[in-house]
Amino acid sequence: ETGVTQSPTHLIKTRGQQVTLRCSSQSGHNTVSWYQQALGQGPQFIFQYYREEENGRGNFPPRFSGLQFPNYSSELNVNALELDDSALYLCASTRTGSSNVLTFGAGSRLTVL
Amino acid sequence: QQQVKQSPQSLIVQKGGISIINCAYENTAFDYFPWYQQFPGKGPALLIAIRPDVSEKKEGRFTISFNKSAKQFSLHIMDSQPGDSATYFCAPHSGSARQLTFGSGTQLTVLP
Repeated sequence: ETGVTQSPTHLIKTRGQQVTLRCSSQSGHNTVSWYQQALGQGPQFIFQYYREEENGRGNFPPRFSGLQFPNYSSELNVNALELDDSALYLCASTRTGSSNVLTFGAGSRLTVL
Repeated sequence: QQQVKQSPQSLIVQKGGISIINCAYENTAFDYFPWYQQFPGKGPALLIAIRPDVSEKKEGRFTISFNKSAKQFSLHIMDSQPGDSATYFCAPHSGSARQLTFGSGTQLTVLP
């Protein structure tokens, strides 16, 4: 049982559209990270949020943005979708005091047509 | 960006056999060396991890061997079972897990 839930599980968008993915983690998990996993590859770090502030960012353009809320939920927003954005988007939370252990959700599978 | 190289890309093992997956890294500042296990339709889950002050760690059928001088660490799965069939990722990092760099993954298939 991961304790991290993501929604939606699957969605299909067309090129140029915008998408919002959601993540809910457990109480006490005050750090949330988002990763993009293309088919057959390892997850790639998008960004991390700590106490509602961005706390690190990977090599992703500004059209990838995020929010973290006080209730341990967070969002990943992607604007101007491109075909290459098709991937599994993973949310991972970290519990206070266990900063080395990431708990991943099952992900949101995004298909861009 | 730190490079992490994982091998093999895929591995097929008979039930009861030993599965060995390797990970090579470049960044000498890494101080936490985890392996994640991912089943289809699921997110990765931490399987086992080691710190550089020891050369080996064993948890049940899973063992990590760490070679600091070679900048490599490996995952050994003893008595492999069909339920171990999954994709395995190494993700070494330093300090808190602010940004993990995952290897490219090893798809393990254990034949019954």
